[in-house]
Amino acid sequence: DIQMTQSPSTLSASVGDRVTITCRASQSISDWLAWYQQKPGKAPNLLIYKASTLETGVPSRFSGSGSGTEFTLTISSLQPDDFATYYCQQYNSLYTFGQGTKLEIK
Amino acid sequence: QVQLVESGGGVVQPGRSLRLSCAVSGFTFSTYAIHWVRQAPGKGLEWVSVISYDGMNKYYADSVKGRFTISRDNSKNTLYLQMNSLRPEDAAVYYCARAKGSYRTSFDYWGQGTLITVSS
Repeated sequence: DIQMTQSPSTLSASVGDRVTITCRASQSISDWLAWYQQKPGKAPNLLIYKASTLETGVPSRFSGSGSGTEFTLTISSLQPDDFATYYCQQYNSLYTFGQGTKLEIK
Repeated sequence: QVQLVESGGGVVQPGRSLRLSCAVSGFTFSTYAIHWVRQAPGKGLEWVSVISYDGMNKYYADSVKGRFTISRDNSKNTLYLQMNSLRPEDAAVYYCARAKGSYRTSFDYWGQGTLITVSS
């Protein structure tokens, strides 16, 4: 089974900051990686797929990069609506989610 | 617009069974694979199962294999999850989610979830 490890688990930042979340796979997954945003009490929302492709309707301040085993999600300038929990997901071999990164207001 | 609506959640005793449903609208159900994903209270996301567009291929997480069965009725635009021998660790919000593409794909639309509580 492929394990996904996100870091950090919690991230404190301010509006306007640039933030980066890292996701590591236990083996190579090529670029079969997605990022989701989840707010309390809501379903996850797809942000990025195939490691770097922005889902339709997602603001361009979100970007993804990486391949193989190391990936990043970057938010270029945090907006108030971005404070949420973020999950990476591999879909190279079945499906595995990272444990999540909670983005908090500093 | 695309909608997925889960139902069937509730409180169930350990060892008992429950069937979840996911009714979809706004897209051609019979051409998409659909997943179940769960989230225990205060925890992260866990993929549970997927069924191909035609129902011929099904895959399960090890944690539910042999106890849960995924199925679909394309004539009713509805997905099901039959959950048997429920355990306390199965307690979670269960989401159905649409596969974005046909192979090796992320999940682009999700339902609002239905809560399962497993308790005596």
